[in-house]
Amino acid sequence: QQQVKQSPQSLIVQKGGIPIINCAYENTAFDYFPWYQQFPGKGPALLIAIRPDVSEKKEGRFTISFNKSAKQFSLHIMDSQPGDSATYFCAASRGGEIQGAQKLVFGQGTRLTINP
Amino acid sequence: ETGVTQTPRHLVMGMTNKKSLKCEQHLGHNAMYWYKQSAKKPLELMFVYSLEERVENNSVPSRFSPECPNSSHLFLHLHTLQPEDSALYLCASSQDVVFPNQPQHFGDGTRLSIL
Repeated sequence: QQQVKQSPQSLIVQKGGIPIINCAYENTAFDYFPWYQQFPGKGPALLIAIRPDVSEKKEGRFTISFNKSAKQFSLHIMDSQPGDSATYFCAASRGGEIQGAQKLVFGQGTRLTINP
Repeated sequence: ETGVTQTPRHLVMGMTNKKSLKCEQHLGHNAMYWYKQSAKKPLELMFVYSLEERVENNSVPSRFSPECPNSSHLFLHLHTLQPEDSALYLCASSQDVVFPNQPQHFGDGTRLSIL
């Protein structure tokens, strides 16, 4: 119930294409769904996040689509660039599960390569 | 300095050694976290501190011992580690006292290798 399942494990897209990464969860108590981007040798950095009261959120070229009934959410990268090549992690948490902190459950990660 | 800083960046130790990982955050956050990142596995939450009090221990073996002396510093003391403990150890912080689910900010990690 605490798992977040992410697919695909790896993805190769040509520059300008729209890579899509999908995540599914079981725990309906989750109420926060962030995506993190990690470059080699660096820690993960928050990219974009969504809460279940909206079905879509867009920040620049990055869009999260959220389907509450299906318990799925996905990341779309518009006009992808070679600089977007990184590992992407989805995550989920339930607000208030830990007093004064949060308990993020991460997906397994997707290694994305954008070819020039 | 800003953000979350981890030292050392790389550490090689034998199974009988004792070493410590250090994390420092300059963001004024109240919560700090230790994660383990192994190849082909999701990030695993190890410990959570809020206002210097440990609030979560995610079934971590006792050979890992965390310490949070103040809201800006977090340590992970290591002793008698096993080869399967080789991984990237990440520290993170967030500001969750008033509103939940605030962004977590990560350091760049310590790459630990156990001989």
